[in-house]
Amino acid sequence: KAGVTQTPRYLIKTRGQQVTLSCSPISGHRSVSWYQQTPGQGLQFLFEYFSETQRNKGNFPGRFSGRQFSNSRSEMNVSTLELGDSALYLCASSSTTGGAYGYTFGSGTRLTVV
Amino acid sequence: KQEVTQIPAALSVPEGENLVLNCSFTDSAIYNLQWFRQDPGKGLTSLLLIQSSQREQTSGRLNASLDKSSGRSTLYIAASQPGDSATYLCAVRGTGANSKLTFGKGITLSVRP
Repeated sequence: KAGVTQTPRYLIKTRGQQVTLSCSPISGHRSVSWYQQTPGQGLQFLFEYFSETQRNKGNFPGRFSGRQFSNSRSEMNVSTLELGDSALYLCASSSTTGGAYGYTFGSGTRLTVV
Repeated sequence: KQEVTQIPAALSVPEGENLVLNCSFTDSAIYNLQWFRQDPGKGLTSLLLIQSSQREQTSGRLNASLDKSSGRSTLYIAASQPGDSATYLCAVRGTGANSKLTFGKGITLSVRP
């Protein structure tokens, strides 16, 4: 079966702009989590959605937001981009909320803010 | 606050060597622990998942163990190959409302032919 699909793979944006990233989970999975990966901070949790409801949120500013649709696809939005937002953004899907049976990750979206 | 440590940050070994990658965590109240592999510029590939009630899991040449009380996990790779070269990350899932994954910084493994 198809894995976790993230689009686009690469993005270049200018400071101050906003960006939307998309994630389609494995078919049947209802949980989608988002993580930011940077060389300095490593992988950090952004938020988790299950059945269109945000279940958990990390320590990121309000510029980072997300949502989940009825088909479990999720989008993450970052407004007023800063240079420090340059990172690999990874999406993970799980069959249950909180990944009780583990998470499957997508290939990520590489965001570069210039 | 859960903290996950992986030491050393990098490791270089000759092909064929058996090796152990270590992971330690500060809060033993975990639901499960997952080992991932990441190739440069790519996403994470799940290797093994160990539930808190389990002591080890095996998949092919990989074996992961978990000692929850001491806050440690090890990933054993048998007969290493150049294709094993990657960054290996461990992540722990908290319990209850704290269900997010907390990751270590990873160990970058290089297997020399």
